[in-house]
Amino acid sequence: EPEVTQTPSHQVTQMGQEVILRCVPISNHLYFYWYRQILGQKVEFLVSFYNNEISEKSEIFDDQFSVERPDGSNFTLKIRSTKLEDSAMYFCASSTTKGQRLDSYEQYFGPGTRLTVT
Amino acid sequence: AQKVTQAQTEISVVEKEDVTLDCVYETRDTTYYLFWYKQPPSGELVFLIRRNSFDEQNEISGRYSWNFQKSTSSFNFTITASQVVDSAVYFCALRPLYGQNFVFGPGTRLSVLP
Repeated sequence: EPEVTQTPSHQVTQMGQEVILRCVPISNHLYFYWYRQILGQKVEFLVSFYNNEISEKSEIFDDQFSVERPDGSNFTLKIRSTKLEDSAMYFCASSTTKGQRLDSYEQYFGPGTRLTVT
Repeated sequence: AQKVTQAQTEISVVEKEDVTLDCVYETRDTTYYLFWYKQPPSGELVFLIRRNSFDEQNEISGRYSWNFQKSTSSFNFTITASQVVDSAVYFCALRPLYGQNFVFGPGTRLSVLP
């Protein structure tokens, strides 16, 4: 069964450094998402991406964050200058459609990347 | 605004007991999706169920069952004859029809003791 993959599984970085989290969505999917889960807290939406542009973002997704689909398979989340509070699990997800058909929506989540900022 | 509440922060049961996890949601949309995800200690999110708001039929899948009550905006999840492997954090989530992001509840940590 096709699945979303994420690398690395765990990333440790120093405060102020840039990190890039990588995701390979399911191959025929068109919509891509990033979510964040601070340890012990709920999962929070960051951004959705379609047709090479951001289609929706939350207030968490500020100027230090950016997303990119550099080639036909990868979808990346870049954090420009990491802060301690960026430490979290980051989940990538993908879906085939925008979900306006009532029976078509499904977001598939990757296993997550745990980011630790020291 | 969309909101999902899971009032039970932690639940502990003994193996073979039945347990119900509560989920109450708020939305102004008349059409939306509801989900349950399981997050085991390894951290990944495991999809359990999706329910469309226009389909109030309850669903059973093995030891799992879901009770959707649109009148009370609740989507409760019951595990029958719980097992140690059911120990995890369970998240209820809402996705509006025309939005793209999930709104997750805070999660309920379920511990099933042998």
